[in-house]
Amino acid sequence: GAGVSQSPSNKVTEKGKDVELRCDPISGHTALYWYRQSLGQGLEFLIYFQGNSAPDKSGLPSDRFSAERTGGSVSTLTIQRTQQEDSAVYLCASRRSGRNRMDTQYFGPGTRLTVL
Amino acid sequence: AQKITQTQPGMFVQEKEAVTLDCTYDTSDPSYGLFWYKQPSSGEMIFLIYQGSYDQQNATEGRYSLNFQKARKSANLVISASQLGDSAMYFCAMREGPFGNEKLTFGTGTRLTIIP
Repeated sequence: GAGVSQSPSNKVTEKGKDVELRCDPISGHTALYWYRQSLGQGLEFLIYFQGNSAPDKSGLPSDRFSAERTGGSVSTLTIQRTQQEDSAVYLCASRRSGRNRMDTQYFGPGTRLTVL
Repeated sequence: AQKITQTQPGMFVQEKEAVTLDCTYDTSDPSYGLFWYKQPSSGEMIFLIYQGSYDQQNATEGRYSLNFQKARKSANLVISASQLGDSAMYFCAMREGPFGNEKLTFGTGTRLTIIP
């Protein structure tokens, strides 16, 4: 029974570079979420996917951030022209369904991003 | 105003004692859910317990129980017979809003340390 997996576990990059963070949800989970955890801001919602569509992108902090999901499974969060304030742990979570309010979100181990 | 407030940044508790972690919330949505997650030093968010706003009874899961006081808008986590492995960050979270999204808003967390 595989849980949510994320890669890479750690990413160090230089300011101005683009990065891609990957999330593999639990098989069969249709809902997928990205959150960011940083010292100054705590845990913040970024984006929500139901299937391949993203009905809620309200948490993306700027247009440098984008995400996609393909095949109703893997999701990629892309940060363009990274800034030092993007340094954080990026957490992915999945839920079985977007239709049952009792379904729990299960989190992956996160990707720790450090922008030098 | 903060939607989720955790007023205890850190707590130290003797092993085998019970511990209560405080959480208050703010919402005008009549349908909401409250979650507690544990985050050990490894970083992964582990789901502990869920309480729906319409649930008549307090949720329990093994050594975890949720003291839900709806009129006071509080959802405190109670851990009975604490163990060394309970040392971790604990986050209270709430989902509210449109059906089908279920994004979570998190509190700032409480760092629990169990003393042998």
